[in-house]
Amino acid sequence: QKEVEQNSGPLSVPEGAIASLNCTYSDRVSQSFFWYRQYSGKSPELIMSIYSNGDKEDGRFTAQLNKASQYVSLLIRDSQPSDSATYLCAGTESGAGSYQLTFGKGTKLSVIP
Amino acid sequence: NAGVMQNPRHLVRRRGQEARLRCSPMKGHSHVYWYRQLPEEGLKFMVYLQKENIIDESGMPKERFSAEFPKEGPSILRIQQVVRGDSAAYFCASSPPLGTQPQHFGDGTRLSIL
Repeated sequence: QKEVEQNSGPLSVPEGAIASLNCTYSDRVSQSFFWYRQYSGKSPELIMSIYSNGDKEDGRFTAQLNKASQYVSLLIRDSQPSDSATYLCAGTESGAGSYQLTFGKGTKLSVIP
Repeated sequence: NAGVMQNPRHLVRRRGQEARLRCSPMKGHSHVYWYRQLPEEGLKFMVYLQKENIIDESGMPKERFSAEFPKEGPSILRIQQVVRGDSAAYFCASSPPLGTQPQHFGDGTRLSIL
């Protein structure tokens, strides 16, 4: 199993709908998790961080972490065309002493007006 | 601007030349990370540094690539004798010195090899 896996998409949702982005991870990457948004030609921008099981909400964004099933998800409510971007899931290694991020390849989201 | 500063934004080199990429972390951040993003590929970790120390260079190619973060000044990623395959976006990220804090990214350096 790849360390961090995401469906590459593209995922298309109508404006105003909920976009659901999913990510699974291996045992090696199981410490902390982050969602980044990357517009084409731009740098990754931190959206959410999540460290423990459960849900974490910030505005229109909700991150969910389930360590037993080894998945982390990002929900975007009331999707807007400006949310159209590639969403990167990333995790850190367990107990390695290095906080390097391991990224999935990203899911491309298109919000249709 | 209190964000992560990278320069240059774009760098063009001919094969065999040297490329130097610079990164100044956010104020208060002492951990610096370099990542590379090849066209249509995901972000790949290269090296993790603190002031005057390389903590983890497990993602660095064994030859031609080196990194430093001196006591004074920015972190430098150096690529010697560049080849076409080095063409990529190189991103620097920084984080505070407290555990697994989120990393914040600079705008990146787009390196093109002619």
